[in-house]
Amino acid sequence: GAVVSQHPSRVICKSGTSVKIECRSLDFQATTMFWYRQFPKQSLMLMATSNEGSKATYEQGVEKDKFLINHASLTLSTLTVTSAHPEDSSFYICSASPLAGVQETQYFGPGTRLLVL
Amino acid sequence: QKEVEQDPGPLSVPEGAIVSLNCTYSNSAFQYFMWYRQYSRKGPELLMYTYSSGNKEDGRFTAQVDKSSKYISLFIRDSQPSDSATYLCAMLQSNTDKLIFGTGTRLQVFP
Repeated sequence: GAVVSQHPSRVICKSGTSVKIECRSLDFQATTMFWYRQFPKQSLMLMATSNEGSKATYEQGVEKDKFLINHASLTLSTLTVTSAHPEDSSFYICSASPLAGVQETQYFGPGTRLLVL
Repeated sequence: QKEVEQDPGPLSVPEGAIVSLNCTYSNSAFQYFMWYRQYSRKGPELLMYTYSSGNKEDGRFTAQVDKSSKYISLFIRDSQPSDSATYLCAMLQSNTDKLIFGTGTRLQVFP
């Protein structure tokens, strides 16, 4: 079946540093990748949608200069949290879809837990 | 008012029980309805995916959609300890193609 991996699974960093999270589709080409954030006991909230080779589309309220997304290939997307602060601590989950912009056929990665001290 | 409401639980049941998980929604534009299972510190896994009102069965799982009441359910028969997880409902808006998730219901099945 479709497998999506994320790296790292957990990261602890100091306030002010930048953190890069990788999302890879292992056995299919992902035309579209999605980045979500999940705070404890809350819903997954879509942050941005990225299509290979084009700029990401950010949801309202998500700072594109703070959360840099690169989707350089059909199997890899990266999310960089720049100048991370404690309030950025959360569970970041990516998902990938083989079909452009189609959210119902997306496969989720295992998530990355970010703790900013 | 949230677009999707889901009781966070926790819901604790004995092994073998029938579990009923529910979500309500307010947006009539939702067309697709999904149920995901999320184990602790893992990403969500798609369980069921329905489009129309009615029931859809897959093994021990049955998804039910009532569009007139804006209410969806997931039933788990003969629940097992391995079913212990958080169950998230999700809905897709036709006009924005954006998945909206519920908060998830934490289920614990004890032996």
